[in-house]
Amino acid sequence: EVQLVESGGGLVQPGGSLRLSCAASGFTFSSYSMNWVRQAPGKGLEWVSYISSSSSTIYYADSVKGRFTISRDNAKNSLYLQMNSLRAEDTAVYYCARDNGMGQLVLSYWGQGTLVTVSS
Amino acid sequence: DIQMTQSPSTLSASVGDRVTITCRASQSISSWLAWYQQKPGKAPKLLIYDASSLESGVPSRFSGSGSGTEFTLTISSLQPDDFATYYCQQYNSYWVTFGQGTKVEIK
Repeated sequence: EVQLVESGGGLVQPGGSLRLSCAASGFTFSSYSMNWVRQAPGKGLEWVSYISSSSSTIYYADSVKGRFTISRDNAKNSLYLQMNSLRAEDTAVYYCARDNGMGQLVLSYWGQGTLVTVSS
Repeated sequence: DIQMTQSPSTLSASVGDRVTITCRASQSISSWLAWYQQKPGKAPKLLIYDASSLESGVPSRFSGSGSGTEFTLTISSLQPDDFATYYCQQYNSYWVTFGQGTKVEIK
């Protein structure tokens, strides 16, 4: 069974940093590209970042470019999101999501999410 | 970025109703469109991909159609478990974008 479990969320002050993790199991992690998607309270879904299976290709949404860094450790079956210079508008539930394995950004599996709150 | 616009934003319907949600793209995305269902406090769940392909395990009352810039998600006979928010998502480019969501409420 595919499982994605996020951790690392919490309360942080504006300008602060936080590192999210996503532990993957139930599939060959190194064969799939991964994504972070966020959802502000009461709002819709916003794609944040993409990383290919080998980490050779990385993309970011304009809203986080230069502040967030996505990475992965295939030996540890883990995905990460380093978030720096956090702003109030970064407050959201952050989901990690796996693609469908067919080279398409169809998000077949999602974690349960971790809440990040940016507030003083 | 490709903008995705869903309509309506909210839909009130009864059990057994046929429900249709529309998603329009700001430019052609061929058939690179997915639909997700999200219930409160839960992660989204993939329903449809490639505009009309049903994800494994999803009930056949869900169907998708369209290509280019206009797409629809249809629920043929609304069930109690279907009251949720639905999102479309384009994956024509790596800069994935979602529609703003359509909430299906009990009438």
